[in-house]
Amino acid sequence: EPEVTQTPSHQVTQMGQEVILRCVPISNHLYFYWYRQILGQKVEFLVSFYNNEISEKSEIFDDQFSVERPDGSNFTLKIRSTKLEDSAMYFCASSVHRTNYGYTFGSGTRLTVV
Amino acid sequence: KQEVTQIPAALSVPEGENLVLNCSFTDSAIYNLQWFRQDPGKGLTSLLLIQSSQREQTSGRLNASLDKSSGRSTLYIAASQPGDSATYLCAVSSNTGKLIFGQGTTLQVKP
Repeated sequence: EPEVTQTPSHQVTQMGQEVILRCVPISNHLYFYWYRQILGQKVEFLVSFYNNEISEKSEIFDDQFSVERPDGSNFTLKIRSTKLEDSAMYFCASSVHRTNYGYTFGSGTRLTVV
Repeated sequence: KQEVTQIPAALSVPEGENLVLNCSFTDSAIYNLQWFRQDPGKGLTSLLLIQSSQREQTSGRLNASLDKSSGRSTLYIAASQPGDSATYLCAVSSNTGKLIFGQGTTLQVKP
């Protein structure tokens, strides 16, 4: 069964450093998403991406965050200057259609900012 | 603003019992509703997707219902097994595709 692949599974970084989280969505999917889950809290929407541009972003997704689909297969989330409160599990997801089909989520990247 | 609430927050049952997990949402203008399973430290596995025009979906021992007008969904698990122990998340989709999640119900099925 097709999978969404995320790397790395766990990343530890120092406060103020830049991190790039990587995702390989399912190949025939057109919509891509990033979500995060702070320990013990709800899964929260960050951003959706379609046709090489952001289609929606949450208030969490400020200027420190950016997304890119550099080569037609990878989908990345960059955090420019990490803060302690960025520590969370970050999930990538993809879907064929915005609303008519379900999501497939990756297994997540646990980001720890120290 | 859409809010999704799940009750109970935690549930512990003996193996073999049938159980119901509840999900409620404040805005009935949803496009679909999904139930996910999350194992500790792991990703989200989609269990069932119900389109806004549907009333229920079934997969094996799982049955999910949707009452859009009252803003409620239930996930029914028949004949529970220890392997069903996990956190179950409900999420509603807006017309933009964004998912809004509940906080989850953590289920423990005791052998």
